[in-house]
Parts: sequence; structure tokens; C-alpha cells
Amino acid sequence: NAGVTQTPKFQVLKTGQSMTLQCAQDMNHEYMSWYRQDPGMGLRLIHYSVGAGITDQGEVPNGYNVSRSTTEDFPLRLLSAAPSQTSVYFCASSYRFRDKPPGNTIYFGEGSWLTVV
Amino acid sequence: DQQVKQNSPSLSVQEGRISILNCDYTNSMFDYFLWYKKYPAEGPTFLISISSIKDKNEDGRFTVFLNKSAKHLSLHIVPSQPGDSAVYFCAASGTTSGTYKYIFGTGTRLKVLA
Repeated sequence: NAGVTQTPKFQVLKTGQSMTLQCAQDMNHEYMSWYRQDPGMGLRLIHYSVGAGITDQGEVPNGYNVSRSTTEDFPLRLLSAAPSQTSVYFCASSYRFRDKPPGNTIYFGEGSWLTVV
Repeated sequence: DQQVKQNSPSLSVQEGRISILNCDYTNSMFDYFLWYKKYPAEGPTFLISISSIKDKNEDGRFTVFLNKSAKHLSLHIVPSQPGDSAVYFCAASGTTSGTYKYIFGTGTRLKVLA
């Protein structure tokens, strides 16, 4: 029972490099999202998706791209990494509320630690 | 503009006593609220939730209270145990509005002293 799987767990990038953080879930969840966690800032929503082919911006979308071609996968792309993107990134997934009664929760991956130098 | 706020960055409580963690929100469209617990180097894990049709939800040692008029919720942990030491995040979402975004607060680090 894998749940939400993120790769890589650790990555060091040079400024200007690009990379993709992978996220996959095996729970047939329609809702997926990416957060970043920074000291004193909590968990901030980057992008989210309510289903395949549908994505939308969160609180801090600049510098990141996403796509959702399948229900299972929701990769996060950094096109030109900057030191300000040094952070811990969490992918999360959930059923859509209309598919489940109240009591629904979102499930998080274990995190990806990214350092941009 | 922070829509979900946890104004206490940290809290220390003696083992066996009550821990009270607070959360305020500004968006009146939020109608579903969750609390998550996070240990270092792990992803957040779900603790308890509450819908806006209720003002209280209880699960074992954990109780969440919701005051809609004040746009305030709180998490009570009774009795507190050393294993409860973690960072706690509250989160909010607007389910009936179709706003599926889950917005999290900045977190409160709870330390339970043995």
C-alpha cells in the first residue's frame, strides 16, 4: 500500500538548472497538490489539480509548472531553479469532496528536500 | 495575505496537562477544517477534522472546537503525552463552494515535557 510516493527524496541543484519532482498516488484520488514548507511559513500551496487535465495555481505558484496527464501522477517542474526555491516539498492527494462525505482528509508524501546553490 | 493563521509558533506543556492549539481564519467560504501533525523528516499526518455544521468533534484525547462567528478553531489534547511533541498545522477548505484548495497555517511546535 504505497499511498503518495515522491521522488527524489534529496536533490541539490545549481542556480538556473531545471528539474522535475515526481509524485504518484495509487489511491485513485482526483485531487492532488504540491506544498512547500519553509521555516516560519508553514505549508504553502504551490499548485493543485482536481482531476486529469485540470490544474490551478495555489498561493505561491511563481517559478513552478505542473501538468496532470493521468489521475496517478502530478509532477512539479522547476524551470530555472533559484536559491529562494530551497525548501522541503510535499505532494498530497485526496478524494474530491463530492465523492466522499465530510471526514475526508488529504494524504501527504514523505517530502523532497531541495537545495539550490 | 495569510488566510489561515496560527499565532503561537511554539507551546510547551507538562505531561498529563491539557495542550490547546489555536487557529484563526479569515475566509468566510471555508467550511471544512483539519488538523495535521508533523514529525521531523516525515510528511504531515491527519489528526482530526471538523465540518462547519458542527462546533465540536472528539476523537480520543483530541477535540477540535469551532467558533464560526469568531472564525476560530482550537485543538485540545488531554492528557498530553511526550509522543505528542510535534508541529501541528491547521488547514481549511471551502467544500461547498467547490474551492478544493486546502490552505494551511504556519504551524505550532508543541513540546510536551516529561
